[in-house]
Amino acid sequence: AQSVTQLGSHVSVSEGALVLLRCNYSSSVPPYLFWYVQYPNQGLQLLLKYTSAATLVKGINGFEAEFKKSETSFHLTKPSAHMSDAAEYFCAVGLSLDSSYKLIFGSGTRLLVRP
Amino acid sequence: NAGVMQNPRHLVRRRGQEARLRCSPVKGHSHVYWYRQLPEEGLKFMVYLQKENIIDESGMPKERFSAEFPKEGPSILRIQQVVRGDSAAYFCASSPLQSTDTQYFGPGTRLTVL
Repeated sequence: AQSVTQLGSHVSVSEGALVLLRCNYSSSVPPYLFWYVQYPNQGLQLLLKYTSAATLVKGINGFEAEFKKSETSFHLTKPSAHMSDAAEYFCAVGLSLDSSYKLIFGSGTRLLVRP
Repeated sequence: NAGVMQNPRHLVRRRGQEARLRCSPVKGHSHVYWYRQLPEEGLKFMVYLQKENIIDESGMPKERFSAEFPKEGPSILRIQQVVRGDSAAYFCASSPLQSTDTQYFGPGTRLTVL
């Protein structure tokens, strides 16, 4: 069964520092992987998605993620954090079963950016 | 958010009342998904619908919850006889095709049960 684990419910970085948010998945088939961002009291916005075309995926706002099959990981990174990056980040895997399709989400990581 | 609309944004109900949450997908999208987010948790899948069909309701509680996506009009998530444990944010997402297409999320409805 597909599942997603996000290590660290809270991550705190200084402005300008590297952002690293961890995501590990389990999947019996090649996965479709997503990172979404949620700002307070808002819906989810897609940051990037992996669909097997390339292992390094670039997204919006300077974020990127690398798919590592051997480690079953899809960690999200950004070279330099901005104050505006403070939000909650969710990793998700797409699950296809029979005629259905759904997203399985991790529990989320709240990113705090210190001035 | 690519145009999914949800209303109301906030809904307060007393225990035992009914809650009706509406979702209008992106124009041209025929697939709708509902997810629930409990406080301090990630989103959990509830139901997947196409026009006039429920494709997968494996995440729906067996009682009190129902969903529809009629031929005309928005998708509706209905919760009868609400209890305090139903308090959560309910998100709707839509996609043009089922497969691996990106799901676009609405702003959510935050349900508070008093």
